Amino acid sequence: DSGVTQTPKHLITATGQRVTLRCSPRSGDLSVYWYQQSLDQGLQFLIQYYNGEERAKGNILERFSAQQFPDLHSELNLSSLELGDSALYFCASSASGGAVADTQYFGPGTRLTVL
Amino acid sequence: AQSVTQLDSQVPVFEEAPVELRCNYSSSVSVYLFWYVQYPNQGLQLLLKYLSGSTLVKGINGFEAEFNKSQTSFHLRKPSVHISDTAEYFCAVETVGRALTFGSGTRLQVQP
Repeated sequence: DSGVTQTPKHLITATGQRVTLRCSPRSGDLSVYWYQQSLDQGLQFLIQYYNGEERAKGNILERFSAQQFPDLHSELNLSSLELGDSALYFCASSASGGAVADTQYFGPGTRLTVL
Repeated sequence: AQSVTQLDSQVPVFEEAPVELRCNYSSSVSVYLFWYVQYPNQGLQLLLKYLSGSTLVKGINGFEAEFNKSQTSFHLRKPSVHISDTAEYFCAVETVGRALTFGSGTRLQVQP
């Protein structure tokens, strides 16, 4: 158990809908990262937050957005869903946002299926 | 831009045999390299990481990796594998904002 929790575990929805994925980092960790794992794209970094502020952006679509709240939990919002958005979405957390090679601890993931 | 190539998508091996999972990276700056393992239906778990210093890095579960700057490689090895090592293994390099760029993964299949 990494200490990172993600809800829900599974999500099934239809095209065009909007969903919210939730992540609680390990106690004391200030950074949250979101990754998408799909069969065709592999594991891709989406976005990082550090202590409530956006720190880095990866291959995140404009239809996707995220935020980190004062209690440090984070939410990833996916809108206008398409079939290709079906994937496993991972959240990871680390103690800081600037330390070199800070270990990232991954949650169990949310499996999103868009029908 | 930094990138990671894992040359083998699948590696079948018999139990108690040695194994090497290959990883090559490209980067124009100093690199920090990682190996993660993903067991079926689970998240990723850090096996080991290289920051600097000794090129041989020891990790959990008996795994080790060797950083080779001239060959831009960071291959993962284990002298004797167990059935429980069956999983997907990802090599990664740290990029902007301390995010990770992952390779495509290598599925290690340990057979009895």
